[in-house]
Amino acid sequence: NAGVMQNPRHLVRRRGQEARLRCSPMKGHSHVYWYRQLPEEGLKFMVYLQKENIIDESGMPKERFSAEFPKEGPSILRIQQVVRGDSAAYFCASSPGPGETQYFGPGTRLLVL
Amino acid sequence: QKEVEQDPGPLSVPEGAIVSLNCTYSNSAFQYFMWYRQYSRKGPELLMYTYSSGNKEDGRFTAQVDKSSKYISLFIRDSQPSDSATYLCAMSGLSGSGNTGKLIFGQGTTLQVKP
Repeated sequence: NAGVMQNPRHLVRRRGQEARLRCSPMKGHSHVYWYRQLPEEGLKFMVYLQKENIIDESGMPKERFSAEFPKEGPSILRIQQVVRGDSAAYFCASSPGPGETQYFGPGTRLLVL
Repeated sequence: QKEVEQDPGPLSVPEGAIVSLNCTYSNSAFQYFMWYRQYSRKGPELLMYTYSSGNKEDGRFTAQVDKSSKYISLFIRDSQPSDSATYLCAMSGLSGSGNTGKLIFGQGTTLQVKP
């Protein structure tokens, strides 16, 4: 039973480019969470999605960031016009239902030059 | 003030020692408490999951929750060099519209167990 999968594992972008991060939840899980981990800091919640719905985006920056979880395919976190401050590790977690145990993927490390 | 406070360490102990890690929190709505272990440049791995107050034991690991003091602990007995990692406490609770399950993390404590 494959765990949560994220790709790419490493992503380098220049300022102003777009970054797309993908997350495939564990089999049978329909709830996806995205977290960001800045250097020397803990994980910060960004957004919680179910299939085709954003349930809680209280942790998402107001501009440039968006997320989706379509009926088919992985969840995608999209960052437009990246800036150096976006450099971080982005983790996806999935669970079978709200409030249930979250299992994390290996993360995508974004570096903005 | 952060919702969840955790001493970042680093904490260095000799092999075989008992390790005590802890977090304090301010939001009395938290009901679910977790400890994750994160190795360098890896994703967090769930170690312990506790609902409300009490103790939970799993092998060498014991988690304690004291909701009256808003304090949670993780104890590691007979620590091994392979336990060297960052330990993150996390918690969640009911919101006005139900439990969305979003986790609030502590900063993480870096532990080094020396052979």
